[in-house]
Amino acid sequence: SQQGEEDPQALSIQEGENATMNCSYKTSINNLQWYRQNSGRGLVHLILIRSNEREKHSGRLRVTLDTSKKSSSLLITASRAADTASYFCSTGANSKLTFGKGITLSVRP
Amino acid sequence: NAGVTQTPKFRVLKTGQSMTLLCAQDMNHEYMYWYRQDPGMGLRLIHYSVGEGTTAKGEVPDGYNVSRLKKQNFLLGLESAAPSQTSVYFCASSYGPGEETQYFGPGTRLLVL
Repeated sequence: SQQGEEDPQALSIQEGENATMNCSYKTSINNLQWYRQNSGRGLVHLILIRSNEREKHSGRLRVTLDTSKKSSSLLITASRAADTASYFCSTGANSKLTFGKGITLSVRP
Repeated sequence: NAGVTQTPKFRVLKTGQSMTLLCAQDMNHEYMYWYRQDPGMGLRLIHYSVGEGTTAKGEVPDGYNVSRLKKQNFLLGLESAAPSQTSVYFCASSYGPGEETQYFGPGTRLLVL
């Protein structure tokens, strides 16, 4: 069963714009993570936010977590063509990660 | 460090054939996982291991077997392949329990005819 659900399913933006992706989940979690997958490649870990944290930054990435609403958002600022990829939200609980279906981000040069 | 490697990269099987997918990691991680990724389904956990000599079932274990004889290797076996097992298979590993950061291999694309 999939825990995280990402929104939107697909996003197309112009290079330089910000990209915001959302994730909602249903049950209690210990952490929430975002992964990126380039076409034909494996997943790469981007950022982890624990359940007692509200916001975290890493370079051009900003992730927020609202446990009362069971939701998270990933913001990529000043997007680049190289950010074109699929992005997955995953929730960590019970010693496992559960992945959503992913968001396809296209950044037009 | 090579990280997580998978062999083969691509394989075509006929229904009923068997094969073994190999995953190797050089990060001394205790935990290893096998996932399958299908269009529109995200990643689903097949089997996982919390240490050398241990294995456990994930969300979709039917039709697969695994072994973890050495800490660095995790093997996924298909005894009698079916078209429904056509998928991309990813191996991952982590230092701590599965809810911590996982490191993924490049994937094995399997086509069962």
